[in-house]
Amino acid sequence: EDQVTQSPEALRLQEGESSSLNCSYTVSGLRGLFWYRQDPGKGPEFLFTLYSAGEEKEKERLKATLTKKESFLHITAPKPEDSATYLCAVPQGGSEKLVFGKGTKLTVNP
Amino acid sequence: NAGVTQTPKFRVLKTGQSMTLLCAQDMNHEYMYWYRQDPGMGLRLIHYSVGEGTTAKGEVPDGYNVSRLKKQNFLLGLESAAPSQTSVYFCASTGQVGGQETQYFGPGTRLLVL
Repeated sequence: EDQVTQSPEALRLQEGESSSLNCSYTVSGLRGLFWYRQDPGKGPEFLFTLYSAGEEKEKERLKATLTKKESFLHITAPKPEDSATYLCAVPQGGSEKLVFGKGTKLTVNP
Repeated sequence: NAGVTQTPKFRVLKTGQSMTLLCAQDMNHEYMYWYRQDPGMGLRLIHYSVGEGTTAKGEVPDGYNVSRLKKQNFLLGLESAAPSQTSVYFCASTGQVGGQETQYFGPGTRLLVL
């Protein structure tokens, strides 16, 4: 069964304290891995799509990387406005359905 | 572009009542999805559609029906609401942006079933 596991469930950082979030997956024939940001009371907002091992994408203080078994979302010198829940998802093998992880709730304290 | 919109934003139902949630997108996307999000459970796919006139079951389809009569609209129906259907419902559509697949989500519908 295709699975996506995110760790940690929650992460509390001080402003400027860099860290990484992990997304590990078990899916046959990876056709992409998606990262989203979700603020309280809102829908997920697309951040990145990664297609192959070794690929990296960056946006402001965020950088996503992909290996054959997992993806990392690196947050460099985070600010309080980076506080949100970060979700990752992969397409279920051979279909257009996405399997989501349960997310990592990031809190950045000033 | 308005993106993905959902109607209503919030609704309270009594057990056994019916209702329809409307999702609309103005990006000409083929694929549309309905998810529910519950604490500790993450996003779970209810039904999805790969084009006008098509629908398919997702992970948790029981108690829900859907229709995609027009490409831009995807309706989610609850025929007889149950307290277990209290949740936040998100609609999404998928398209290509800059050569990469991107999924756009609506703002959500909060449903409380008493």
